[in-house]
Amino acid sequence: KNQVEQSPQSLIILEGKNCTLQCNYTVSPFSNLRWYKQDTGRGPVSLTIMTFSENTKSNGRYTATLDADTKQSSLHITASQLSDSASYICVVSDRGSTLGRLYFGRGTQLTVWP
Amino acid sequence: EADIYQTPRYLVIGTGKKITLECSQTMGHDKMYWYQQDPGMELHLIHYSYGVNSTEKGDLSSESTVSRIRTEHFPLTLESARPSHTSQYLCASSVRLAGDQETQYFGPGTRLLVL
Repeated sequence: KNQVEQSPQSLIILEGKNCTLQCNYTVSPFSNLRWYKQDTGRGPVSLTIMTFSENTKSNGRYTATLDADTKQSSLHITASQLSDSASYICVVSDRGSTLGRLYFGRGTQLTVWP
Repeated sequence: EADIYQTPRYLVIGTGKKITLECSQTMGHDKMYWYQQDPGMELHLIHYSYGVNSTEKGDLSSESTVSRIRTEHFPLTLESARPSHTSQYLCASSVRLAGDQETQYFGPGTRLLVL
């Protein structure tokens, strides 16, 4: 069964600290993996997209890694800010239609405290 | 920033009412989607469209219907709302980027409460 599992479910950190969010998937075939940030009451916003051949991709203070062999990805946030408080969603696409079918994780709810 | 809009943002209605959630995008994207998301849960695809006059049901069974008469407009209709329809509804559109990667742009969502 194609699934996307994220951990932890929720995380609280102090402002300025680093954190790492995990995503494990069983989706096959694999096309790409995306990390989204979803603020409360808003729609998700794309942070990174990685294909099979990419191991790491950065977007400012966000760095995503991908190990396609172990089917694991992580999102590392450096020097966290209060505005980083949000849900971070891992989404995996299979190699179906042009977009592929998307499998969504339930997200990690990150809270950054001052 | 994506130009995709949803109205209303919040809606409280009584059981049995007919409602239409509006979604429009000004980016000229052919593909549009409707997702349902409950708090703390993953997004579930309920409808999608690959272009004008094209609509398909998604993975999650839904009593809603959609139409795609114009490229920029993808409304979702509930003929008779029930409390089980209480949820957040997210509209999205997608475009293919360089490298054959498509990316989705999401609207702000509509939070629906059916009493």
